[in-house]
Amino acid sequence: DAKTTQPTSMDCAEGRAANLPCNHSTISGNEYVYWYRQIHSQGPQYIIHGLKNNETNEMASLIITEDRKSSTLILPHATLRDTAVYYCILATRNTPLVFGKGTRLSVIA
Amino acid sequence: DAMVIQNPRYQVTQFGKPVTLSCSQTLNHNVMYWYQQKSSQAPKLLFHYYDKDFNNEADTPDNFQSRRPNTSFCFLDIRSPGLGDAAMYLCATTKWDIGVAGYTFGSGTRLTVV
Repeated sequence: DAKTTQPTSMDCAEGRAANLPCNHSTISGNEYVYWYRQIHSQGPQYIIHGLKNNETNEMASLIITEDRKSSTLILPHATLRDTAVYYCILATRNTPLVFGKGTRLSVIA
Repeated sequence: DAMVIQNPRYQVTQFGKPVTLSCSQTLNHNVMYWYQQKSSQAPKLLFHYYDKDFNNEADTPDNFQSRRPNTSFCFLDIRSPGLGDAAMYLCATTKWDIGVAGYTFGSGTRLTVV
């Protein structure tokens, strides 16, 4: 079962930052927070992951609270191509990804 | 480019007629997964291979089988497809032994059962 809670849907204006929250209050010490997204009719795409420190890459930033019970994925300048379902997933080093329902992000022109 | 390739992209099969979906990878990843994704739902893990070790999810129907003849290839066999098996089937790979790594997904095979 998915151990994360995400809003069902969100809207974001094109060019603005998209902030996608995720709650994971029962996270274990060795579980990483992964973010994936799935654009319509495509396979999921890896975005970013982290354990306890904030992370940034060319796609996004991941902010993890100090108690690790929640996190936020930030897309700094959302474009129409960022419209997708975003999944926040907890996994340890050697366990499969189990997807929850995710957040449907709509970027609006 | 290294990648995960699923063939075919679209597959139509008859009710009850066995069908095989294939997945190949050039990433040399030691773990391969099969997920089932029905319309408007999240991907659901069916099973995975860690090297040659097969791991079946508890709620995966017996109708679904898998083979991994070598590192590069993995097959999903549906012995007697029913209408409820119509879905997108996703293959994914990763490498566990060197630490946490991102998963790479194929583009999926959309299965239609008629």
